[in-house]
Amino acid sequence: EADIYQTPRYLVIGTGKKITLECSQTMGHDKMYWYQQDPGMELHLIHYSYGVNSTEKGDLSSESTVSRIRTEHFPLTLESARPSHTSQYLCASSELVGEQFFGPGTRLTVL
Amino acid sequence: GDSVTQMEGPVTLSEEAFLTINCTYTATGYPSLFWYVQYPGEGLQLLLKATKADDKGSNKGFEATYRKETTSFHLEKGSVQVSDSAVYFCALTRNQAGTALIFGKGTTLSVSS
Repeated sequence: EADIYQTPRYLVIGTGKKITLECSQTMGHDKMYWYQQDPGMELHLIHYSYGVNSTEKGDLSSESTVSRIRTEHFPLTLESARPSHTSQYLCASSELVGEQFFGPGTRLTVL
Repeated sequence: GDSVTQMEGPVTLSEEAFLTINCTYTATGYPSLFWYVQYPGEGLQLLLKATKADDKGSNKGFEATYRKETTSFHLEKGSVQVSDSAVYFCALTRNQAGTALIFGKGTTLSVSS
């Protein structure tokens, strides 16, 4: 079944740790996105990719980095987590412009 | 720049009430317009879309009409159910094809029986 997966669903870590949030999709979509969702539910685009070896920064300045070595995989890495990184992170993919498929999200808490 | 403005929530309704969630936009060119829904603990799902002026998108009893003259895309449903309780996001495509959507801030809907 075509789908988009995110792991872990929940993560609690200490300050200074390096973490990677995983995102994989089985739909063969070229375009993928990372959003940060604040407690007020607003979505902020932090990274996107048009295809393999393509990555761009989004609207919200983020200390995270992404890579796109395979079409299906778009991981997000924080080299040194801080409490200000506490948030919900949503991954999405699309083929048609505007029609995005979202993963269930990773809720990150940095202590 | 392009933007989306949604009515602030929360919107609290009784079951079978009529729902309207207002959405207006500012955009250059001719964007496509979308409504997404986020149920508790889940990611967003596409609810409906409209790609040109006067198009009506519909799904699961929800409707929205692309009004270019008023730059609006209001979401409506004639009779809401408890299961409709969720956060609703209005969105439009950016000027550049292939880039991400511009989302409104979301409107929380709570329906009680």
